[in-house]
Amino acid sequence: SAVISQKPSRDICQRGTSLTIQCQVDSQVTMMFWYRQQPGQSLTLIATANQGSEATYESGFVIDKFPISRPNLTFSTLTVSNMSPEDSSIYLCSAKGLAGEHQETQYFGPGTRLLVL
Amino acid sequence: GIQVEQSPPDLILQEGANSTLRCNFSDSVNNLQWFHQNPWGQLINLFYIPSGTKQNGRLSATTVATERYSLLYISSSQTTDSGVYFCAVRTYNTDKLIFGTGTRLQVFP
Repeated sequence: SAVISQKPSRDICQRGTSLTIQCQVDSQVTMMFWYRQQPGQSLTLIATANQGSEATYESGFVIDKFPISRPNLTFSTLTVSNMSPEDSSIYLCSAKGLAGEHQETQYFGPGTRLLVL
Repeated sequence: GIQVEQSPPDLILQEGANSTLRCNFSDSVNNLQWFHQNPWGQLINLFYIPSGTKQNGRLSATTVATERYSLLYISSSQTTDSGVYFCAVRTYNTDKLIFGTGTRLQVFP
């Protein structure tokens, strides 16, 4: 299985500021994703992080608000820009495509709890 | 897009009871996973089960892909089983894992 770490684990931010979340996977993976979980809700896919090219965003999410980078096969960042209280959520990094028998299984990081005041 | 509905939305059990959680999906899938989100928010992989039956200790899961549903069985429930259970599916020709609505389980001593 894959071990995924995220930094920071939690943060409290002021509205209008930006926060960058880092995601590190302990082995090379083919696909990385970012999800959002609003309070009391299920997980919603924000975007697929593509190595060396622009991320693929889902409906309702735009690059200006959630810029994403993926410089290599094990690392990605998500920035939440110009934050408002409505951005208060858990943000989760996810990965799939491990070598071997687990290549179709998707794994998740511990999440970053964001509170915007 | 695909719809993924889970039932029941909430479940309250006493320790030692058994339960069945259901996941219905509206299209053919080539991946189905069950997760447990513990009270600290961590998503724990339970099963990768696009079809068939698997067992892991007190938990087992069955997916009937042709009828578009999956079941998660929890036997002899413990307080540590509390949390939210999600199923998530991936359809053919896509890499997106889509989450269901979730079942919130509370197990009391």
